[in-house]
Amino acid sequence: GENVEQHPSTLSVQEGDSAVIKCTYSDSASNYFPWYKQELGKGPQLIIDIRSNVGEKKDQRIAVTLNKTAKHFSLHITETQPEDSAVYFCAARTSGTYKYIFGTGTRLKVLA
Amino acid sequence: GAGVSQSPSNKVTEKGKDVELRCDPISGHTALYWYRQSLGQGLEFLIYFQGNSAPDKSGLPSDRFSAERTGGSVSTLTIQRTQQEDSAVYLCASSPQAASYEQYFGPGTRLTVT
Repeated sequence: GENVEQHPSTLSVQEGDSAVIKCTYSDSASNYFPWYKQELGKGPQLIIDIRSNVGEKKDQRIAVTLNKTAKHFSLHITETQPEDSAVYFCAARTSGTYKYIFGTGTRLKVLA
Repeated sequence: GAGVSQSPSNKVTEKGKDVELRCDPISGHTALYWYRQSLGQGLEFLIYFQGNSAPDKSGLPSDRFSAERTGGSVSTLTIQRTQQEDSAVYLCASSPQAASYEQYFGPGTRLTVT
């Protein structure tokens, strides 16, 4: 079945440094790749997404890159701040379907 | 405007009891998802509702789990004869329509089965 692998499971960075989280998907027909941030006690919140017709998307300190050939996509957070500390999930969805396959999450800790 | 709401936020129940979890989606959203999030795991798809179409129940882990959506709005997830392995956070999400890619999540219900 479809699968999304996410690495690393935990990531600690110093405030101001960059953080990168990587995901690999198995279904080559996947065409939509969202990233969610989940803070303690809250539901996941969409922070950025990318569709398969573009290779990169940026929103202020957050960017996502997509390599369709290799079937992987990455989340990049620059100039990290303590409030970036949370669990981040990637997901993939295939065109014509409504199911999202989620990665297992990355716990990011930004050390002040 | 109001987001997705879920109730209760926490539920502790004894093994063998039935529980009902409620989800109020964003007004006008026709698509509704239920997910289960176990400790340290990703989100596991449970069930999907879209308008008046038959729901996709393919993710329900056993026949102890059921869900309904009344009037195309509020949804209830019911777990009968709860087991300890049912302990998890149950998340609800809604989308404006089936073709829409954005999902909006509620805060979840943390279920603990003792």
